[in-house]
Amino acid sequence: GAGVSQTPSNKVTEKGKYVELRCDPISGHTALYWYRQSLGQGPEFLIYFQGTGAADDSGLPNDRFFAVRPEGSVSTLKIQRTERGDSAVYLCASSQSDGTGGYEQYFGPGTRLTVT
Amino acid sequence: GQNIDQPTEMTATEGAIVQINCTYQTSGFNGLFWYQQHAGEAPTFLSYNVLDGLEEKGRFSSFLSRSKGYSYLLLKELQMKDSASYLCAVRDSNYQLIWGAGTKLIIKP
Repeated sequence: GAGVSQTPSNKVTEKGKYVELRCDPISGHTALYWYRQSLGQGPEFLIYFQGTGAADDSGLPNDRFFAVRPEGSVSTLKIQRTERGDSAVYLCASSQSDGTGGYEQYFGPGTRLTVT
Repeated sequence: GQNIDQPTEMTATEGAIVQINCTYQTSGFNGLFWYQQHAGEAPTFLSYNVLDGLEEKGRFSSFLSRSKGYSYLLLKELQMKDSASYLCAVRDSNYQLIWGAGTKLIIKP
């Protein structure tokens, strides 16, 4: 079956611009996660959705970052007034559980964001 | 604070065995995961431990000691395709994954 997909695969934007990153999870997965990963580092948690609601947004670095999942499937991560420090690979993952148990997270290929 | 420690890089020879260690200090513990990540690709799941002991899955095994805050990933019969980063992640009391920085494993012929 289809895995997690993310678009675009690469995004180059100028400092100060607004960007939207899209994630399409595995069908039927209720849990959706956004991470960002810098070179040589592990993924850094941003936000977790269970269904349509953000169950935990404690990882969002500041109010320039926002994410939605209006119908409990596709999610969009929105970044306003981008800064060079936002440059990273943004990973989306989905899971069939509510986060408990041994269900693993399935990751998408990521969106490489470069802010110039 | 929460902390996951792994060696930054390891080198091993094709056909050999390598053990990658992970120590953790987290607020609560609800399981430990190992993921493999090839350069430029997304992490893929390898193993899950929630009880003490060894979990074996083919060439890969993972061990957990909760009292010591310690896990290791054991890779046997190394192949060139095993060259990748190996990420240790602990699920904390909020059921969120705390990730280590990963161990880059280099396999030499």
